[in-house]
Amino acid sequence: AQSVAQPEDQVNVAEGNPLTVKCTYSVSGNPYLFWYVQYPNRGLQFLLKYITGDNLVKGSYGFEAEFNKSQTSFHLKKPSALVSDSALYFCAVRDMRRAGKSTFGDGTTLTVKP
Amino acid sequence: EAQVTQNPRYLITVTGKKLTVTCSQNMNHEYMSWYRQDPGLGLRQIYYSMNVEVTDKGDVPEGYKVSRKEKRNFPLILESPSPNQTSLYFCASSTTSGGATDTQYFGPGTRLTVL
Repeated sequence: AQSVAQPEDQVNVAEGNPLTVKCTYSVSGNPYLFWYVQYPNRGLQFLLKYITGDNLVKGSYGFEAEFNKSQTSFHLKKPSALVSDSALYFCAVRDMRRAGKSTFGDGTTLTVKP
Repeated sequence: EAQVTQNPRYLITVTGKKLTVTCSQNMNHEYMSWYRQDPGLGLRQIYYSMNVEVTDKGDVPEGYKVSRKEKRNFPLILESPSPNQTSLYFCASSTTSGGATDTQYFGPGTRLTVL
């Protein structure tokens, strides 16, 4: 069975500081990892994904994520946070052997204070 | 505009009264999926469909039914809703050309309350 853990319910950072939202995963085969963001009263929007290749993945709005196979992690990062980055962030994993199955973490609320 | 639409957006109903939440996408995607979002539990997959007439259970299928008669539509059916199905529901779609690598596009959500 595949699983995703987001160990922090809430992350608070000051505007202009770097941010990290953590994600660890468990999957039998090769992992395909995704980050999505949800703004209030909206659906989820895709940020970035890791499929293969370079462990550092760049995505929308200046976000990036680092895939670490040995630590089974896929942490989301941004060098300089904006107040508008405040939202709910979800990490998700899919397994190539069962392409339809998609597992999300519980979500991390990011609050960026001015 | 490429989008996933859901109807209704808000619904309050009573226990046992059958209901259907519709989902439609205009991107010619093969894959569609339903999720429910509950506080502290994240998104949990209910059912998914890899193509027309092909559906499979997700993690929490009990109490739900789906059908995929057309490529663009994937309705979620609650035959006898119960209060524990009060939740925020999302439909999503994607291509299947990349298999599990494909990005999902989400609808705006349907907030369901079962009294």
